[in-house]
Amino acid sequence: LAKTTQPISMDSYEGQEVNITCSHNNIATNDYITWYQQFPSQGPRFIIQGYKTKVTNEVASLFIPADRKSSTLSLPRVSLSDTAVYYCLVGDGETASKLTFGTGTRLQVTL
Amino acid sequence: DADVTQTPRNRITKTGKRIMLECSQTKGHDRMYWYRQDPGLGLRLIYYSFDVKDINKGEISDGYSVSRQAQAKFSLSLESAIPNQTALYFCATSRGQGAVTGELFFGEGSRLTVL
Repeated sequence: LAKTTQPISMDSYEGQEVNITCSHNNIATNDYITWYQQFPSQGPRFIIQGYKTKVTNEVASLFIPADRKSSTLSLPRVSLSDTAVYYCLVGDGETASKLTFGTGTRLQVTL
Repeated sequence: DADVTQTPRNRITKTGKRIMLECSQTKGHDRMYWYRQDPGLGLRLIYYSFDVKDINKGEISDGYSVSRQAQAKFSLSLESAIPNQTALYFCATSRGQGAVTGELFFGEGSRLTVL
């Protein structure tokens, strides 16, 4: 199972772009990279998922280099409401039961 | 209405009491999970079930048991609650075999306090 490493915390000002990088050196061929967002006292919520190159949706972009050993979640123009914990997970449909949520990256956005 | 519903949302109990946390889902997913989260920590998997007849232990199953009553229902029991089981508990679901990815859908959580 692929182990992930991401920064414990990050700070940003409102309106800035935030990039959170996750390393996953032993990612497997069938693994997807998934990012979740969690607000205090709420369950994690899916943000974005990708396999390679770049994926963009209405809330974020996910950049994955060719070797897939890392990925970067990009949040454009963050607001105070983006203050949350962000988790990077690696796995496929069959290993979903074994996905481990580490401590994630705590993003604090201030004015 | 939430797709994954947990009851109760908050519960305070005493040491030694039996507690059941219930989870129901309307997503039609085969797979269901119970996680525990302690302050400042990530989520740890307690039990998971791939279908009604399948139950599997997760990382921290000691002191807990589960029941998969139907595809849509997955209950977590603490037979004799102890204070260090005070935590926020989450139920989650995901699609079953054949799903390409393992996206998890979480409930709103059940906060349990054991005095």
